[in-house]
Amino acid sequence: GAVVSQHPSWVICKSGTSVKIECRSLDFQATTMFWYRQFPKQSLMLMATSNEGSKATYEQGVEKDKFLINHASLTLSTLTVTSAHPEDSSFYICSASRAYNSPLHFGNGTRLTVT
Amino acid sequence: KQEVTQIPAALSVPEGENLVLNCSFTDSAIYNLQWFRQDPGKGLTSLLLIQSSQREQTSGRLNASLDKSSGRSTLYIAASQPGDSATYLCAVRSRDDKIIFGKGTRLHILP
Repeated sequence: GAVVSQHPSWVICKSGTSVKIECRSLDFQATTMFWYRQFPKQSLMLMATSNEGSKATYEQGVEKDKFLINHASLTLSTLTVTSAHPEDSSFYICSASRAYNSPLHFGNGTRLTVT
Repeated sequence: KQEVTQIPAALSVPEGENLVLNCSFTDSAIYNLQWFRQDPGKGLTSLLLIQSSQREQTSGRLNASLDKSSGRSTLYIAASQPGDSATYLCAVRSRDDKIIFGKGTRLHILP
């Protein structure tokens, strides 16, 4: 089955530093990838839609200068949390599908802790 | 704006019972609806995908239905097992290609 790999699975960083999270579709090409954020015991909040070769589409309230998304190829999207603060600590999950009518597959998520 | 609601928020049932989880959405202009399970601290595992033209999908003990006109979907789990304990999420892919999740149902199967 389709596999989406997300790395790292967890990261601890200091306030003010930047963290990059990678999302790869291992056995299919994904023109679109989605980035979600999840707070404890809450559902997934869509942050942005990452489109290969073009700018990401951010949801209302998500700072695009803080959460930089780069979809460099059909199999790789990256999310960079810039100048991280403790309130950015969260569980970040990416997802991808082959097409709009294909199942959405998720990475295993990245637990970010900012100290 | 698409809104997805899941009821109940939490459910506990004895092992062996059949159960139904509910998902409703406000905008029927969708491509598809997908059910997932999430274990604590983990990513999401896809269970079933129903296209907008379909009415149901089955996989093993799971059966998902879709009534697009009324904005509802159900996930039926037969003969529940302790390993079914998890949070179940439904997600709707709208025509604007946004994928919106419900808040999930936390299911606990009592041994």
